[in-house]
Amino acid sequence: DTAVSQTPKYLVTQMGNDKSIKCEQNLGHDTMYWYKQDSKKFLKIMFSYNNKELIINETVPNRFSPKSPDKAHLNLHINSLELGDSAVYFCASSQVGDSEAFFGQGTRLTVV
Amino acid sequence: EDQVTQSPEALRLQEGESSSLNCSYTVSGLRGLFWYRQDPGKGPEFLFTLYSAGEEKEKERLKATLTKKESFLHITAPKPEDSATYLCAAPTSGTYKYIFGTGTRLKVLA
Repeated sequence: DTAVSQTPKYLVTQMGNDKSIKCEQNLGHDTMYWYKQDSKKFLKIMFSYNNKELIINETVPNRFSPKSPDKAHLNLHINSLELGDSAVYFCASSQVGDSEAFFGQGTRLTVV
Repeated sequence: EDQVTQSPEALRLQEGESSSLNCSYTVSGLRGLFWYRQDPGKGPEFLFTLYSAGEEKEKERLKATLTKKESFLHITAPKPEDSATYLCAAPTSGTYKYIFGTGTRLKVLA
């Protein structure tokens, strides 16, 4: 009965490929996020959505395109993958934009 | 610019050896200071929210406190299972995002 679930957990792909990561939350939250965690474990916001509307796009390359089909889902599509995209990507949700966030288990993306 | 800084970067303790982790912040109009625990290969797990200076929250061996400039996570008589990375975060003023510190990697030795 996972609160925030994302798939897949691991993703290994070649440079230039296109891939998607899916995220679903069953907490009834209005706000969802994508965070990127680099090799030094630093968490940085990429996108935030509130009620399916994009609120924050934190200077992320256009190759990254989030999509929120409904309040419970926020997917991340990445085009033309590059080596530097290798990282762990976390989905999260919160009730409102400044309440505690709950995170998924992460997707470790490795671009070779 | 809003900023959250944690120290130390890493900490090794013997089982039972109490200590504190520090989180310094400069965030305009603080609307909460969050503490998370992250185990290897997992997402951050929410621990506490603190809203105002002087507030304290406790959970088992952990106690979080807040002043106007920093927050402390006190660990009393830690056990090996407390080993994890501890992250603090704050929502930035007026936006739907949290700024995270770089974390403190805690290792408790049996």
